[in-house]
Amino acid sequence: DAGVTQSPTHLIKTRGQQVTLRCSPKSGHDTVSWYQQALGQGPQFIFQYYEEEERQRGNFPDRFSGHQFPNYSSELNVNALLLGDSALYLCASSTGLADEQYFGPGTRLTVT
Amino acid sequence: AQKVTQAQTEISVVEKEDVTLDCVYETRDTTYYLFWYKQPPSGELVFLIRRNSFDEQNEISGRYSWNFQKSTSSFNFTITASQVVDSAVYFCALSENILTGGGNKLTFGTGTQLKVEL
Repeated sequence: DAGVTQSPTHLIKTRGQQVTLRCSPKSGHDTVSWYQQALGQGPQFIFQYYEEEERQRGNFPDRFSGHQFPNYSSELNVNALLLGDSALYLCASSTGLADEQYFGPGTRLTVT
Repeated sequence: AQKVTQAQTEISVVEKEDVTLDCVYETRDTTYYLFWYKQPPSGELVFLIRRNSFDEQNEISGRYSWNFQKSTSSFNFTITASQVVDSAVYFCALSENILTGGGNKLTFGTGTQLKVEL
């Protein structure tokens, strides 16, 4: 039973560039959430997708956008990258909007 | 607004010692979930437990136990007879609005780094 998978594992970008991160949910899950985890901090909620729609959003600027596909996989896009966007980006999946979330290994983004 | 506080930044113990990780939460909701996750050096968050606000019974799973007290808004986690493999960062988290179907966003604390030494 495949767990949550994310790609790429690591990424280095330059300030001002754009980046796309990808997530495939755990088998049987239909809801995907994204979190940003800065070094030494707890994860911060970015947004959540269910039935291909954004259902909840945290306090992140519009530079952060996402998408969910019919197969429940999801993308996180970040435009106009800032140095402060350097973090571990975690994807989590669940069944519906109330079940516990299972996390992927994350994508480590470094902005130089 | 919801908030989770983990006052212990780092704890060091010797193997076989018992250790308790503290978690205090704030919420205006009467229905919510509380969670504990483990984050080993690999970075992946591992789900340990979910507790709903209706159930204050303590829970034990092997060497792990959890103490939920609504009166003090605390959800503490105890590891009995700690092992080196328990070394990780542990996060407490809160999810509100569990009955509204509006989403299960998690609010995390800042984590407690547990180091278990031989």
